[in-house]
Amino acid sequence: SAVISQKPSRDICQRGTSLTIQCQVDSQVTMMFWYRQQPGQSLTLIATANQGSEATYESGFVIDKFPISRPNLTFSTLTVSNMSPEDSSIYLCSVGRGRDQPQHFGDGTRLSIL
Amino acid sequence: DAKTTQPTSMDCAEGRAANLPCNHSTISGNEYVYWYRQIHSQGPQYIIHGLKNNETNEMASLIITEDRKSSTLILPHATLRDTAVYYCIVHDGGAGSYQLTFGKGTKLSVIP
Repeated sequence: SAVISQKPSRDICQRGTSLTIQCQVDSQVTMMFWYRQQPGQSLTLIATANQGSEATYESGFVIDKFPISRPNLTFSTLTVSNMSPEDSSIYLCSVGRGRDQPQHFGDGTRLSIL
Repeated sequence: DAKTTQPTSMDCAEGRAANLPCNHSTISGNEYVYWYRQIHSQGPQYIIHGLKNNETNEMASLIITEDRKSSTLILPHATLRDTAVYYCIVHDGGAGSYQLTFGKGTKLSVIP
């Protein structure tokens, strides 16, 4: 399976600021996804990162808050904008090679907002 | 996606087979059964998936009942490094949504 690297692995940020999380894959993949895991909760899909076009957001998530880029088939970024303590979560990148194929996850970015 | 039911926790002696059950009685014909595990502070790790037939890979075996209403993940020789939370997920492969719904899973403790 693909090797997925996320940066940073963790960060502590001030409220009102923004942070960009990077996801790098060691091979080309068709699909890239961003998830959020709030404390004690399951994973929630934020959006599908589409190469060359705007991301597809799930209900409850908007581009202004979580802008996503995907310039090529191996790299994507997620920005968490105007952060508040409620944004304290683990943010995970996952990748897939097509429908019916399993998603593989990075180790996530642990984000704490003060 | 169909709902799954798993035991909250299980123990297994090191070196023995770990058999983790999952009920998914409302599974539909186009839904796969996926198994992931999550070790503390790491992202979910894909283990195995199947549609109808039993599957085996280098990590585990997946046994799906003929009516597809339940399945069992088998770790043939559990080691201490297999201690993790194991998630059984029913998903249509993205025909509907790519969201993978992780429930509470089974916390497997492998005991020396």
